[in-house]
Amino acid sequence: SQTIHQWPATLVQPVGSPLSLECTVEGTSNPNLYWYRQAAGRGLQLLFYSVGIGQISSEVPQNLSASRPQDRQFILSSKKLLLSDSGFYLCAWIPSSGNTIYFGEGSWLTVV
Amino acid sequence: AQSVTQLGSHVSVSEGALVLLRCNYSSSVPPYLFWYVQYPNQGLQLLLKYTSAATLVKGINGFEAEFKKSETSFHLTKPSAHMSDAAEYFCAVSAPRGYNKLIFGAGTRLAVHP
Repeated sequence: SQTIHQWPATLVQPVGSPLSLECTVEGTSNPNLYWYRQAAGRGLQLLFYSVGIGQISSEVPQNLSASRPQDRQFILSSKKLLLSDSGFYLCAWIPSSGNTIYFGEGSWLTVV
Repeated sequence: AQSVTQLGSHVSVSEGALVLLRCNYSSSVPPYLFWYVQYPNQGLQLLLKYTSAATLVKGINGFEAEFKKSETSFHLTKPSAHMSDAAEYFCAVSAPRGYNKLIFGAGTRLAVHP
């Protein structure tokens, strides 16, 4: 079966520190991969998506970056976190032949 | 380009009452439409989707939604609310070949009281 794993589930980081959130998908190949952010009391904002290894599209200018070193691995990073980076980050994927997006369990990031 | 508007950031109903969560979309091409539910501190779970087949779509947990092109709406309904339905609900739209950019509404938080 197809599953998505996202970690860490919770993270508290000081301002200016680096960030790495990792997401992997199992049971599929060549998925489209996504990073969304959900700030407190707000909807979901698409940050990045990837249609293949090394292919990253950014939806909004920001302090974050994404990488896809392997087909089923998607990493969200920052060199120096800002307070405004706090939020709930969701990794998601769509099968290469599908039209429905599936979400991971999310990662809570608090920047202090 | 696609966009979604969810009317009402908070909706409160009594247990057993009708649930109606509103979603209007804007799309330059025939859209695909989705409803997702998010329970506290969890990811999003697909409730139902419209992908140009039947306009009345039935989903999990007794929810359904009707695609109305003339009204550009995709409202979510459930005849009788349960306490367990309390969650946040998101409407989303994509273009059939452009679902790389699934666009979400701001969400509606549903409260169910006894």
